Amino acid sequence: DAGVTQSPTHLIKTRGQQVTLRCSPISGHKSVSWYQQVLGQGPQFIFQYYEKEERGRGNFPDRFSARQFPNYSSELNVNALLLGDSALYLCASSRREMGGDGYTFGSGTRLTVV
Amino acid sequence: QKEVEQNSGPLSVPEGAIASLNCTYSDRVSQSFFWYRQYSGKSPELIMSIYSNGDKEDGRFTAQLNKASQYVSLLIRDSQPSDSATYLCAVKTSYDKVIFGPGTSLSVIP
Repeated sequence: DAGVTQSPTHLIKTRGQQVTLRCSPISGHKSVSWYQQVLGQGPQFIFQYYEKEERGRGNFPDRFSARQFPNYSSELNVNALLLGDSALYLCASSRREMGGDGYTFGSGTRLTVV
Repeated sequence: QKEVEQNSGPLSVPEGAIASLNCTYSDRVSQSFFWYRQYSGKSPELIMSIYSNGDKEDGRFTAQLNKASQYVSLLIRDSQPSDSATYLCAVKTSYDKVIFGPGTSLSVIP
């Protein structure tokens, strides 16, 4: 079985631009969560989706949005990029709702805002 | 008070020794606890989950949970250089979010 796949792996954007990150969960996993990880820190919770509905949101501004599609894949959108949005964005899938059985992470998207 | 806290590290242990990693959490009603390992430049990988008070062993790893003290730990026996990584403690809180600690960097010296 394929693991969690994320695309793109690396991205360089200019301040003020918009970006879309994509994630496909493990087959059979209906829960997808997004995390932001800045170098030297633990992952920070952004969003969780289960069965195509938003089930949780972290302390991120409205510039961050996400959705989950009928096939359980997900997109994370960030508008009006700031330098501080530079980070590793991790997608995690789990079989159980809200990550209760632990996450499997994708390899991440490294976003650099210049 | 941060929701999940870990030893600041870095932690260095000689090869073959026991590495002890500690984590405290603030949400008293949390029920699910996880340890992830993250190698430099890679994404986190789940190594242990624990849900009940006491010890849970898996190979060289033992997770310990004390809900009364709001404390969870990870012991790595017979530490190997390949165990050198950052260890992340994660807690599923009562409001259904999985919150990660800042991580503890472990270095196993040959």
